[in-house]
Amino acid sequence: EPEVTQTPSHQVTQMGQEVILRCVPISNHLYFYWYRQILGQKVEFLVSFYNNEISEKSEIFDDQFSVERPDGSNFTLKIRSTKLEDSAMYFCASPWGAGGYTFGSGTRLTVV
Amino acid sequence: TQLLEQSPQFLSIQEGENLTVYCNSSSVFSSLQWYRQEPGEGPVLLVTVVTGGEVKKLKRLTFQFGDARKDSSLHITAAQPGDTGLYLCAGARMDTGRRALTFGSGTRLQVQP
Repeated sequence: EPEVTQTPSHQVTQMGQEVILRCVPISNHLYFYWYRQILGQKVEFLVSFYNNEISEKSEIFDDQFSVERPDGSNFTLKIRSTKLEDSAMYFCASPWGAGGYTFGSGTRLTVV
Repeated sequence: TQLLEQSPQFLSIQEGENLTVYCNSSSVFSSLQWYRQEPGEGPVLLVTVVTGGEVKKLKRLTFQFGDARKDSSLHITAAQPGDTGLYLCAGARMDTGRRALTFGSGTRLQVQP
């Protein structure tokens, strides 16, 4: 099964700072997703990206968040001014197989 | 809002026992997936079911999609300590144009040797 690669695995940042989370999805896939999981809570959808555009976003994905494709293979999730409540695991995912998704191993973001 | 309710939330059983985990919703889903998640890792896909009434087997795991495509179950036969983990169901409603997954809150399974 192809892999989705995320970096860094763990990031600690000061409240109010900007963070950029990176992902290399399965190659040649047009759809790409970001999800987050606050410790002990559900996995929640943030945003989907299709053919270099945001195709869908949740109410969590406010103006503090942005997603970009800086080059052909990498995707980034940027949080402009982090808050304590942004502390979570952030996962990127690519569709794979018959309706399933391959998730990356995640970035643990800790805002202090 | 599409909610997926999983039950039970926690399950601790002895090795060799059978168990069933349920995933229920009032919404109809185009497909429903089951994932397993280890601590500090991303969810790993176990199976996708797309047809009402569909049954899929993965070794000792049996997955069923309800006839109305609103619910699903995961049955494990003769559980082993290696089955310990967090099991998540997730649904997609592609008929509404939403491809994003809605996740359940998970069932944490512990199998005692």
